[in-house]
Amino acid sequence: EDQVTQSPEALRLQEGESSSLNCSYTVSGLRGLFWYRQDPGKGPEFLFTLYSAGEEKEKERLKATLTKKESFLHITAPKPEDSATYLCAVITGTASKLTFGTGTRLQVTL
Amino acid sequence: ETGVTQTPRHLVMGMTNKKSLKCEQHLGHNAMYWYKQSAKKPLELMFVYNFKEQTENNSVPSRFSPECPNSSHLFLHLHTLQPEDSALYLCASSQGDRGQPQHFGDGTRLSIL
Repeated sequence: EDQVTQSPEALRLQEGESSSLNCSYTVSGLRGLFWYRQDPGKGPEFLFTLYSAGEEKEKERLKATLTKKESFLHITAPKPEDSATYLCAVITGTASKLTFGTGTRLQVTL
Repeated sequence: ETGVTQTPRHLVMGMTNKKSLKCEQHLGHNAMYWYKQSAKKPLELMFVYNFKEQTENNSVPSRFSPECPNSSHLFLHLHTLQPEDSALYLCASSQGDRGQPQHFGDGTRLSIL
């Protein structure tokens, strides 16, 4: 059974303090890994898709990377508006099912 | 309107009521999904539709009945729900159902009395 584990469960950063969120996965036949951001009371907002080990994607202060066992979401010089829950999900084989992790709740303070 | 729209945003119902959740996507996608999000748990896929045909039912109890009349609209009909069904129900859509990013609505917060 596919498994996705995110760590840490919660992270508190000061504004400007860079850090990384981890998403490790145990799957057979990874076809894609997705990062989403979810604000309270909202649905997940798509950030990135990564398809193969070594791939990197960037958007503003966020950079996602992928290896054969895990993905990192690097946050450089975060701002309070980056506070949210960040979700990782994988899609495998021929399935259309996304398997999600439980998320990392990020809080960025002034 | 753009994106994926879900109505109602909040719903409180008794265990014997019948209600429906509605989802509409304005992205031109052909696949639509229902997910359940409970506190402290990962999002759980419930149903997948591709070109109006159901392609996946993730062992969902029959008290949840999906309907997809066309590629832009998706419904979830609810009847005789249990308190443990209280959760955020999210609709998503994608271009194809084989690995393209899924785009989500803001969900319906369902509370069962």
